[in-house]
Amino acid sequence: QQQVKQSPQSLIVQKGGISIINCAYENTAFDYFPWYQQFPGKGPALLIAIRPDVSEKKEGRFTISFNKSAKQFSLHIMDSQPGDSATYFCAAKISGGKLIFGQGTELSVKP
Amino acid sequence: DAGVTQSPTHLIKTRGQHVTLRCSPISGHKSVSWYQQVLGQGPQFIFQYYEKEERGRGNFPDRFSARQFPNYSSELNVNALLLGDSALYLCASSLAGGNTEAFFGQGTRLTVV
Repeated sequence: QQQVKQSPQSLIVQKGGISIINCAYENTAFDYFPWYQQFPGKGPALLIAIRPDVSEKKEGRFTISFNKSAKQFSLHIMDSQPGDSATYFCAAKISGGKLIFGQGTELSVKP
Repeated sequence: DAGVTQSPTHLIKTRGQHVTLRCSPISGHKSVSWYQQVLGQGPQFIFQYYEKEERGRGNFPDRFSARQFPNYSSELNVNALLLGDSALYLCASSLAGGNTEAFFGQGTRLTVV
């Protein structure tokens, strides 16, 4: 119940395309869902986050869609650029608790 | 403002040795958490400290310990190192407990040989 399942494991997108990464969870006590971007040799960088009372949040080219009834959430990267090539992690958290991370998606944006 | 700083950035240790990793949170942040990230996987929670008290512990053996100092910096200690402890150790800083944003440092790459 503490797991967050992330898919796909890897993703190749053409420059200008839309990258979509999906995550699913079981624990309905989770109430905070961040996405992190990680480049090789670096720590994860907070990209965007959402709380379950909101169905969508957009920041620039990045959008989180949240489906509370299905216990799923996804990251959409619009107009994907080669500089977006990185590993993306979804995560979930219970208030005051630890972050539970998905397994990661390695995104490659081809020029 | 400086972000989360961790030291050292890289470390090579021999099996059975002890290691201490250090973390300085963002100024004003009172909560520090430690995570272990094995290559190809997501970070796994080790410890959370808030106001110098342990607020959570992950599924790691007692060889792992940590503490938080009055200036909110933190140390992670690992005794009797095993080859399987080789990983990127990440420190995350947040303003308080609850659902405040967590910001990660660049990590310490520990290699046990």
